[in-house]
Amino acid sequence: GENVEQHPSTLSVQEGDSAVIKCTYSDSASNYFPWYKQELGKRPQLIIDIRSNVGEKKDQRIAVTLNKTAKHFSLHITETQPEDSAVYFCAASRGAAGNKLTFGGGTRVLVKP
Amino acid sequence: DGGITQSPKYLFRKEGQNVTLSCEQNLNHDAMYWYRQDPGQGLRLIYYSQIVNDFQKGDIAEGYSVSREKKESFPLTVTSAQKNPTAFYLCASSTYPRVPQETQYFGPGTRLLVL
Repeated sequence: GENVEQHPSTLSVQEGDSAVIKCTYSDSASNYFPWYKQELGKRPQLIIDIRSNVGEKKDQRIAVTLNKTAKHFSLHITETQPEDSAVYFCAASRGAAGNKLTFGGGTRVLVKP
Repeated sequence: DGGITQSPKYLFRKEGQNVTLSCEQNLNHDAMYWYRQDPGQGLRLIYYSQIVNDFQKGDIAEGYSVSREKKESFPLTVTSAQKNPTAFYLCASSTYPRVPQETQYFGPGTRLLVL
């Protein structure tokens, strides 16, 4: 089955700096890659996703890049703000057989004011 | 994701007891999912269902059971066979298979604790 690895597990940045989280996946048939943000004790919420026919996608301060050849994708947050502090999860799916998502282990991001 | 509800918010289980977690959605989504999240870890898939009266095991189905008698509802039972049930349980839904690769939306979760 699919295996998703996520790094780093914790990330501390100064407010205004950029944060980058990287994920690698094992199943070359995976074609859908969402990123979720989870605040303490809350539900995961989708912040951005990318499909395999696209190499990069941006939404304001958030961007995701995908390298299908190397089987890795990354989340980039620019101009970080204290409210960006949370745990971020990447995931991968083949889009078939139930659209099952396989999640990475998560990255705890702390933005220091 | 506001259309997915889970109850209760907290649930306490005694040794040898079966407990059932509720998940309801009014989004007209076909697919529903149950995930388990342990402290400091990612989400792991327990069961999923693509259509009424049909469901499949995920990666960690042992000690759990589900039913899908209605499109809106996908309850999860944690049986006494699950020896380490303490975790945060999240239900999700999506429009799959009508729209492949569609986003999964999560409910607010149920935190299960063992007495």
